[in-house]
Order: sequence, then structure tokens, then C-alpha cells
Amino acid sequence: AQTVTQSQPEMSVQEAETVTLSCTYDTSESNYYLFWYKQPPSRQMILVIRQEAYKQQNATENRFSVNFQKAAKSFSLKISDSQLGDTAMYFCAFMGVSSGSARQLTFGSGTQLTVLP
Amino acid sequence: SQTIHQWPATLVQPVGSPLSLECTVEGTSNPNLYWYRQAAGRGLQLLFYSVGIGQISSEVPQNLSASRPQDRQFILSSKKLLLSDSGFYLCARTGSSYEQYFGPGTRLTVT
Repeated sequence: AQTVTQSQPEMSVQEAETVTLSCTYDTSESNYYLFWYKQPPSRQMILVIRQEAYKQQNATENRFSVNFQKAAKSFSLKISDSQLGDTAMYFCAFMGVSSGSARQLTFGSGTQLTVLP
Repeated sequence: SQTIHQWPATLVQPVGSPLSLECTVEGTSNPNLYWYRQAAGRGLQLLFYSVGIGQISSEVPQNLSASRPQDRQFILSSKKLLLSDSGFYLCARTGSSYEQYFGPGTRLTVT
């Protein structure tokens, strides 16, 4: 079974600054994907970024980037130039895609990020 | 575009009453569909997933059930609600690269 751990329940950052959210995972699967989702106060779950485990290059999406350390099983999210609209709960998620996997997302407990004006 | 609809948006039901939540998907065929529950301030718990019509897999034993009567329709049901069934229910579908996209959710309060 997979586990996803987010050790920072709450974080805050000043507008325009950079913040990094941590995530670690544990799995025995050889092929998998990792995701970060954002859940603003509306509670709509929004996909932020995706990383394929077999790719060494870290994924980037505009102001969002990840630091994927496969050996350490670490998958952190960096948000640059933080904006007030980035205030949300952020969830790290894992999906095994090896043969026989059920293609299910396993979520961490979330980090509440508040961007301060 | 591929859109997920969930109905109703909010629901208040007494303990012991039945439940039916509906999820419909537009713009895609034969998607994998998922039901998640999120308790207040918590992460998401997978309840059911479906890879096709009539095919349902349950992840957590409970008084809820799911059905998929049509390719793009996924229904979550209960015959008798419990207080512990309160929460935010999210329907999701798979994308082209294993990611999942979520609907707007249904907020259920059992009183």
C-alpha cells in the first residue's frame, strides 16, 4: 500500500515571495505518477502539476515547479511570486501505474497555504 | 470540453433517510469514474471507482453503494444515512495521462 505524508499542516507566505510545500511518499511500485492539487475555499479540486516518476526532469507549470527526488521519495512544490489567489489547501497525491494497479489516487492530509498581502 | 456535473450541490438529510448523489460527465467516452469523500479539514478518501457500465469496485466497507447505469453517469446511494456520512462528496474522472479531474462536489449534512 502507498502512503503520502504532508508534514506541514499550515504555512503562510508574503505576496510575491516564494514558498515550498513538502511531500514524502512510500511505495513499492516501480512506475507511478505524482500530483499536486489545489483546493481553494470553493472546495473545487484543481490539478496544479503532474510528475512522471520515470522522468528525471522536474515538472514546471508557470509559477509552479516541483523538486522530485526519487531515491528519497520526496516531491515538494515550489510556488514562485505568490499571489493572493494561491491561498488554498494543497494536496500531494500518488498513483501507481504498474501492471495490475487500480489507477487510484492516494492523497496526503494537505497543507493550508495562506498568502498574506 | 470535458465537464463533470454533480447534483445536488448541497443536501441536508435526516439520519435514516435515503441518499442519491449523481455525477455526469460530458465530452469523453468510457472514462474511469471515482467517488471520494472529504471530511471537514481532511484529505480525500476513495469510496468507489468504476471502469465501465455496471462495473463497481468498493474501497471502504460502509452503508454506501454506487452504480453506473450509463457510460457517463455515476450514482452514489445509501438506503439509510448515518451521522458519519456527512461530508463533501467529489466525483472524478481520469484524464489522458493518469491525472484525475474533479467535479464541483456535493456538501452533505446528515442531521
